[in-house]
Amino acid sequence: QVQLEQSGAEVKKPGASVKVSCKASGYTFSNYGIYWVRQAPGQGLEWMGWISPYYGSTNYAQKFQGRITLTTDTSTNTAYMELRSLRSDDTAVYYCARDPKDFWSPYNWLDSWGQGTLVTVSS
Amino acid sequence: QSVLTQPPSVSGAPGQRVTISCTGSSSNIGTGYDVHWYQQLPGTAPKLLIYANNNRPSGVPDRFSASKSGTSASLAITGLQAGDEANYYCQSYDTSLSGHVAFGGGTKLTVL
Repeated sequence: QVQLEQSGAEVKKPGASVKVSCKASGYTFSNYGIYWVRQAPGQGLEWMGWISPYYGSTNYAQKFQGRITLTTDTSTNTAYMELRSLRSDDTAVYYCARDPKDFWSPYNWLDSWGQGTLVTVSS
Repeated sequence: QSVLTQPPSVSGAPGQRVTISCTGSSSNIGTGYDVHWYQQLPGTAPKLLIYANNNRPSGVPDRFSASKSGTSASLAITGLQAGDEANYYCQSYDTSLSGHVAFGGGTKLTVL
């Protein structure tokens, strides 16, 4: 079965960077895109970006442009999300999720989700 | 402030039918972009409930259905059960702000 296993919780100081990993299993990693979504405490879902492990192409939400980098390592079936210049309002649970297609499309959806990684930004 | 508007909460008694609306505009649902729905049980990750407007993934009971019309979409749950108590999110694509994946603000379903 499809599984996305994310790295553990992180505590960071303002201005620092965080890199969250998402290890995929149960399917051919290169054949599906990966979304990243976050959820601040008590709030809704916010899309951050998308990457194709096969093509390496990315699509970032305008809000995070310049602060986020999505990468993948097809040798370990792992996707990564790095967010820089962290602020207190970046405190959230960060999710990776699978896209049923390997190409960017505004019609796609998120069909399997990781368990989430809590990132706390505090001085 | 999301471009997709959902009611903050809905409620219903066990066995009843409830609907959750997702109101968009001409820059998202009204353009023809698909709407997808997710269920987030307390303390867990979201789960895909409906994709491409009205399609249920394998394993999702047929008590869950959805539709889309004009600039809005709705999720219907029949035969309400205690285990349906969760937050529900709609998702589509919006062409404003250089285009982005948009989620509704979420609706908390309470089973009375």
